[in-house]
Amino acid sequence: EVQLVESGGGLGQPGRSLRLSCTASGFSLGDYAMSWVRQAPGKGLEWVGFTRSNIYSGTTEYAASVKGRFSISRDDSKSVAYLQMNSLKSEDTAVYYCTRGPFMRYGDWYGLDVWGQGTTVTVSS
Amino acid sequence: EVVLTQSPGTLSLSPGERATLSCRTSQSVSSSHLAWYQQKPGQAPRLLIYGASSRATGIPDRFSGSGSGTDFTLTISRLEPEDSAVYYCQQYASSVYTFGQGTKLEIK
Repeated sequence: EVQLVESGGGLGQPGRSLRLSCTASGFSLGDYAMSWVRQAPGKGLEWVGFTRSNIYSGTTEYAASVKGRFSISRDDSKSVAYLQMNSLKSEDTAVYYCTRGPFMRYGDWYGLDVWGQGTTVTVSS
Repeated sequence: EVVLTQSPGTLSLSPGERATLSCRTSQSVSSSHLAWYQQKPGQAPRLLIYGASSRATGIPDRFSGSGSGTDFTLTISRLEPEDSAVYYCQQYASSVYTFGQGTKLEIK
């Protein structure tokens, strides 16, 4: 079964750091781009960033709201993707989802086809 | 950054009716890189449509997507009570992906 499981959420203080992990199973992590998406309480979805597949050397892109503070990495040998969150702000409070994709298969570009259950990050002093 | 604007904000329809949800982008987006997601309360989103018109695995044919350029549509025919959810469009054409703000669909 293809599955993503996030961990590492919790209470973080403003200005401090947290690292989220996303453990993949049922597929080869290295073959896929992996994205992070967050959802603040009562709000819509916000794309955070992604890391490309190993074919593209795992390069990363970020939303303007987190660029310079957050970084995404991956350890394909362990089937784990990470979201390092530095200089936390109260507006980073959200449920963070790890997702697979986007990716190309048989000539079609798929969106984010597998989602974890989400992990909650609360930034407060 | 490509801005996605969804309308209407809320849609209230009865079972058996057809729902038409709109997603407009601030600049032209390749239809290959436009997706729709469904999110029910307390759940993670689920991919419905990718490439503007292709249904994801396991999605009933009541769900269909169309559009090109800056105008995209998600149509849900023969509404069922379980279709009550928030629906989001997303573009993944540029290196910075963006979501629309969502349309809440209520089934009376």
